[in-house]
Amino acid sequence: EVLLVQSGAEVKKPGDSLKISCKGSGYFFPSYWIGWVRQMPGKGLEWMGIIYPADSHTTYSPSFQGQVIMSADTSTNTAYLQWRSLKASDTAMYYCARGLGSGNQNWFDAWGQGTLVTVSS
Amino acid sequence: QSVLTQPPSVSGAPGQRVTISCTGSHSNIGAGYDVHWYQHLPGTAPKLLIFGNNNRPSRVPDRFSGSKSGTSASLAITGLQAEDEADYYCQSYDTSLSGWVFGGGTKLTVL
Repeated sequence: EVLLVQSGAEVKKPGDSLKISCKGSGYFFPSYWIGWVRQMPGKGLEWMGIIYPADSHTTYSPSFQGQVIMSADTSTNTAYLQWRSLKASDTAMYYCARGLGSGNQNWFDAWGQGTLVTVSS
Repeated sequence: QSVLTQPPSVSGAPGQRVTISCTGSHSNIGAGYDVHWYQHLPGTAPKLLIFGNNNRPSRVPDRFSGSKSGTSASLAITGLQAEDEADYYCQSYDTSLSGWVFGGGTKLTVL
């Protein structure tokens, strides 16, 4: 069974740094894209970016370029989403998801349970 | 505002058929990119319903179907059940944004 298990909820202050994780199991982690998706309170899903763990090739949504850093560690089958300096507007649920398909026809067939990030002074 | 437009809400009685539209443009759906659909109950992980416009994962009931034409796509749900009450999102690729995009989401209410 393909599973993506995310790290637990975080409460941070503006300006703090943060790195959340997404651990894959039940499949060959390096060979499948991992995407990150944001859901702000009361809003819809937003695609943030995608990383290919085997070579760490990353594509960011223009809205998130420079705001977050995606990385992956194939030795632990874990993908990461990182902020250097959080803002209150980063308060949201963050999901990781496994990408299938080729070229730009990717879809997401398995999802993590989500990590709730709350940024408040 | 998403480049993929969905109605904010739809509703139907148990047993009825509902459709959810996803309207794009020539830089996404109209450019030949596939449309995928997800079901999302708040607080849970989104679930893939349809991939590649009209393909269902094996665990998804055949009450759910997808179609695509021109710059739009649709998700149809027949034999509506109370458990179908959720948010539904379409997803595709957009060449102008050079990335994947989700529709704004549609809340389905089962009356």
